[in-house]
Amino acid sequence: QQQVKQSPQSLIVQKGGISIINCAYENTAFDYFPWYQQFPGKGPALLIAIRPDVSEKKEGRFTISFNKSAKQFSLHIMDSQPGDSATYFCAATGAGSYQLTFGKGTKLSVIP
Amino acid sequence: EAQVTQNPRYLITVTGKKLTVTCSQNMNHEYMSWYRQDPGLGLRQIYYSMNVEVTDKGDVPEGYKVSRKEKRNFPLILESPSPNQTSLYFCASSLRRVAGGEQFFGPGTRLTVL
Repeated sequence: QQQVKQSPQSLIVQKGGISIINCAYENTAFDYFPWYQQFPGKGPALLIAIRPDVSEKKEGRFTISFNKSAKQFSLHIMDSQPGDSATYFCAATGAGSYQLTFGKGTKLSVIP
Repeated sequence: EAQVTQNPRYLITVTGKKLTVTCSQNMNHEYMSWYRQDPGLGLRQIYYSMNVEVTDKGDVPEGYKVSRKEKRNFPLILESPSPNQTSLYFCASSLRRVAGGEQFFGPGTRLTVL
C-alpha cells in the first residue's frame, strides 16, 4: 500500500519556467512533509520541509504548498534552472515515528 | 566533515555469497536507517535503528539483517543474496526521530547479484 503518491514521474521544463510536483497522502497521522533532492550518483539531500500548521513555506526559489483538507502538498520551483535537474522525492512521517515514507520520485529535466 | 560513509560503493557478487555493506556516521546521530532505491519504486526502508542495540524492520526487511553494536556504525548484511536484491542501497542517519529533523544520506552502494 503506497501511502504517498507522487506525480508526475518525469517532468521537462524550459529554463526560467515553473516546475510543479504534486504529492498526496492517506495517513492523517502524518505531520511532517519533507522534500528531498537527488542528483545522479549522489544520495538524497533535504531540500525543504513543512508541517501542517502552515499552508506554504518558501525558501529561495523553492516553495511547498500544503492543503491539509485535501491531504495534498506540492513543490514549486520558480525560475527553474538547468542545475535544478535532479530527482525529487516527497516524503511524510508522523510524530513519534521512526519511519519516513517516500513517494516514488519525479525526474526533473530543465532544458536551456 | 560531517558525513555518512558507505563501503563498498559498487559490488558485483553471485547468488548465495554472504556480503556486508558497511555504514558509518561521524555526527553522533542516534537514528540510522537503510533504504533501497529501485527504478519506479522510489526509496523503500529496509531496517532502522533508534539507538545502539535497538533495531526494527522497515517496509522491505526480507533477506536482510542489521546490527547496531556501536552508535556510529550500522552494517547491512545479506546472508544469501539473490538477484532480486540487485539495487542501489542508501544508509541514512539523523539526530533524532525523522519528524524532528533532517536525514543525512550516504553516497549509495550499487549492488549487483548475478
